[in-house]
Amino acid sequence: AQTVTQSQPEMSVQEAETVTLSCTYDTSENNYYLFWYKQPPSRQMILVIRQEAYKQQNATENRFSVNFQKAAKSFSLKISDSQLGDTAMYFCAFMRPGRGNTPLVFGKGTRLSVIA
Amino acid sequence: NAGVTQTPKFQVLKTGQSMTLQCAQDMNHEYMSWYRQDPGMGLRLIHYSVGAGITDQGEVPNGYNVSRSTTEDFPLRLLSAAPSQTSVYFCASSYSSRGGNTIYFGEGSWLTVV
Repeated sequence: AQTVTQSQPEMSVQEAETVTLSCTYDTSENNYYLFWYKQPPSRQMILVIRQEAYKQQNATENRFSVNFQKAAKSFSLKISDSQLGDTAMYFCAFMRPGRGNTPLVFGKGTRLSVIA
Repeated sequence: NAGVTQTPKFQVLKTGQSMTLQCAQDMNHEYMSWYRQDPGMGLRLIHYSVGAGITDQGEVPNGYNVSRSTTEDFPLRLLSAAPSQTSVYFCASSYSSRGGNTIYFGEGSWLTVV
């Protein structure tokens, strides 16, 4: 079974600074999908970024980017120019390949606080 | 476009009572699932469905039943509520054409069992 590990339960960053959240996973699959979800205090789950394992290029969405290291099974999230609205829980998630969608496996989350 | 709608948003149950958490989506998504979120545990899969008439168990299915009679609806039934089922429940849906599709979540249902 796949597992996802987020080793940083809590982190903090100054406004406008850059922060990196770590995620590692364990799988024997060669192709799969990785996601970062943001959960603000409202508890809504918001997709931040998505990566397909067969694409070597790291995904980027505005101030959010990933460092995908397939051999190391690492998928870290970098947030540049941190804003107060980035304060949230961040979950890394893994989806194994299938004929269609398969269930997401989540890490336990990292609570990020952006400090003014 | 309402997306994924969960009802009720808040519920208090007594031990032994039964109830159904409703989930509906209006995006014609084939794939639907239920997760529970507990402090320090992330989200754990309860049940999921890849289409009408098809359901399967996830990581923590005990004490819960599901059915998928239509594409739009995926209710989660608690058969005999226990305090261990106090949690926040999320319903999610997505297309299921080729894998890796974005999964959309409802706003969550807060359940307390006393």
